[in-house]
Amino acid sequence: RKEVEQDPGPFNVPEGATVAFNCTYSNSASQSFFWYRQDCRKEPKLLMSVYSSGNEDGRFTAQLNRASQYISLLIRDSKLSDSATYLCVVSSGGGADGLTFGKGTHLIIQP
Amino acid sequence: DAGITQSPRHKVTETGTPVTLRCHQTENHRYMYWYRQDPGHGLRLIHYSYGVKDTDKGEVSDGYSVSRSKTEDFLLTLESATSSQTSVYFCAISTGSNQPQHFGDGTRLSIL
Repeated sequence: RKEVEQDPGPFNVPEGATVAFNCTYSNSASQSFFWYRQDCRKEPKLLMSVYSSGNEDGRFTAQLNRASQYISLLIRDSKLSDSATYLCVVSSGGGADGLTFGKGTHLIIQP
Repeated sequence: DAGITQSPRHKVTETGTPVTLRCHQTENHRYMYWYRQDPGHGLRLIHYSYGVKDTDKGEVSDGYSVSRSKTEDFLLTLESATSSQTSVYFCAISTGSNQPQHFGDGTRLSIL
């Protein structure tokens, strides 16, 4: 069974702090990796793709370690609006069934 | 947001009744997916489609059927709804199986 494991949290972090999440995945054939954000009672939304070389989008940095099969997300200078659940997402490795979603890490930014 | 519309947005019905949820896209994406999301389980794939009339089962397909007669519409049917099917249902679309998926707003379904 393809698995994506995340620490469910919650992570309680003061505004302005830096916070990092990791997730691990079991399918070594996975080719694509993403972080999604989901607000309470809303649909998941793509936050960023994750590339082997690492990539940055403003305050957000994603890293991929294929050898150890883990993905990380770093949020710098956290804002109150960053409070959400962050889903780690991994492709199935070629099957048409698409992506495997982790259960998410709940982040709460405190003023 | 990607052009995905789910209908209805909310539905309350009784055990044993048939229920059909509709997902409509205007993006002409080949792949469409139905998920359910429940506390403690995250998103679980019910069925997916990789083209018109091409569908397959996901992780939790029992009690559900789907149809895709045209590119833009993917229907999810509960033939005889049970209380265990009370959930939030999300439709998603993508251009390829390894590509990011974009989600509709979701349907909140309650089976009494």
